[in-house]
Amino acid sequence: KQEVTQIPAALSVPEGENLVLNCSFTDSAIYNLQWFRQDPGKGLTSLLLIQSSQREQTSGRLNASLDKSSGRSTLYIAASQPGDSATYLCAVIGNQFYFGTGTSLTVIP
Amino acid sequence: NAGVTQTPKFQVLKTGQSMTLQCAQDMNHNSMYWYRQDPGMGLRLIYYSASEGTTDKGEVPNGYNVSRLNKREFSLRLESAAPSQTSVYFCASRWTLDQPQHFGDGTRLSIL
Repeated sequence: KQEVTQIPAALSVPEGENLVLNCSFTDSAIYNLQWFRQDPGKGLTSLLLIQSSQREQTSGRLNASLDKSSGRSTLYIAASQPGDSATYLCAVIGNQFYFGTGTSLTVIP
Repeated sequence: NAGVTQTPKFQVLKTGQSMTLQCAQDMNHNSMYWYRQDPGMGLRLIYYSASEGTTDKGEVPNGYNVSRLNKREFSLRLESAAPSQTSVYFCASRWTLDQPQHFGDGTRLSIL
């Protein structure tokens, strides 16, 4: 069974800082990997989707990388803002769909 | 743009009662999914439907049934609710496996 781990579980940074969120998975036979953000009491909003054949995807201040061989993905957030405060989840899609437990990010003004 | 719509948003049940959670998407997506989210456990897949007319078990299917009524709608039924099924339930859909999943806002279900 695929195990997906996100470290750290919580992160607090001052506004303007660049930061990296980590996602690791145990089975490299994946189809793609998706990063989401979840605001309290809300559903998940898709941020980036990386196909297994890709190494990275960028959207605005966000950049996600994927290294299948090492079972790792990172989400880089540049120039963080208070509005970035949320829980960030990664999901690994293979035969089934597995989510990490998320990193709760707080950006302090 | 409605996207993925879940009803109801909140529900309280007594142990042993039955209930159906509704999900509808207006994006003409082929695949639909039901997840539950519990503290410390992350999201876990209950059932999914890869296309209209098909359904398959996910990681935690016990105690649930699903119906893919048509391309738009995918319902989740609890036949005899148990306190262990207290959770937040999310429905999601996607066009194909290489496209992003889109989520509804969730149904918060408490079973007493």
